[in-house]
Amino acid sequence: AQKVTQAQTEISVVEKEDVTLDCVYETRDTTYYLFWYKQPPSGELVFLIRRNSFDEQNEISGRYSWNFQKSTSSFNFTITASQVVDSAVYFCALSEEADSWGKLQFGAGTQVVVTP
Amino acid sequence: SQTIHQWPATLVQPVGSPLSLECTVEGTSNPNLYWYRQAAGRGLQLLFYSVGIGQISSEVPQNLSASRPQDRQFILSSKKLLLSDSGFYLCAWSVDSRADPEAFFGQGTRLTVV
Repeated sequence: AQKVTQAQTEISVVEKEDVTLDCVYETRDTTYYLFWYKQPPSGELVFLIRRNSFDEQNEISGRYSWNFQKSTSSFNFTITASQVVDSAVYFCALSEEADSWGKLQFGAGTQVVVTP
Repeated sequence: SQTIHQWPATLVQPVGSPLSLECTVEGTSNPNLYWYRQAAGRGLQLLFYSVGIGQISSEVPQNLSASRPQDRQFILSSKKLLLSDSGFYLCAWSVDSRADPEAFFGQGTRLTVV
């Protein structure tokens, strides 16, 4: 069964608009991590952020921010003031303590297209 | 700092031919190593992972195999490629640590079986 769901297939925005990517996860573990990765056209997956299950504090890092809510099993990611270089596929991923840390279960990805 | 190298970057192989993709990690010891495949349509699927030399776990039944002959070397192989083996293959490493659970990926190999 799919443990990470990214319902948005593609989001298109104009430069400087904000973009929010949705992620819903499913796990029975009480200890787990959630991640966001970026895949630019070159193909390499780039680690962006992580959050553990015990820390629901939302943070901002530069133009990136995330909203983690255990009550709704959601881990949403926002890019503020988008730029053309933000165009990529973004993946949400889950790693569970019952499994090996580093074994990631990915969502299907959301394609972000930022136009000038 | 740690780096991960994966080669070749692209590969076109005929059906029935063998395959060998190599991945090496530098700057760390005893990493966990992973092979993922990304088929058309973007989904990433874990194929194999290894927690040590000679220790390989397969996540899905398939035409591929993996080996870890050295601590920081991970190889993906096939004796006879199928058309369905086409895809984008990504190697990754991580430390098996609750403090640093993220995985870091190589640049990938785009395999086309013709």
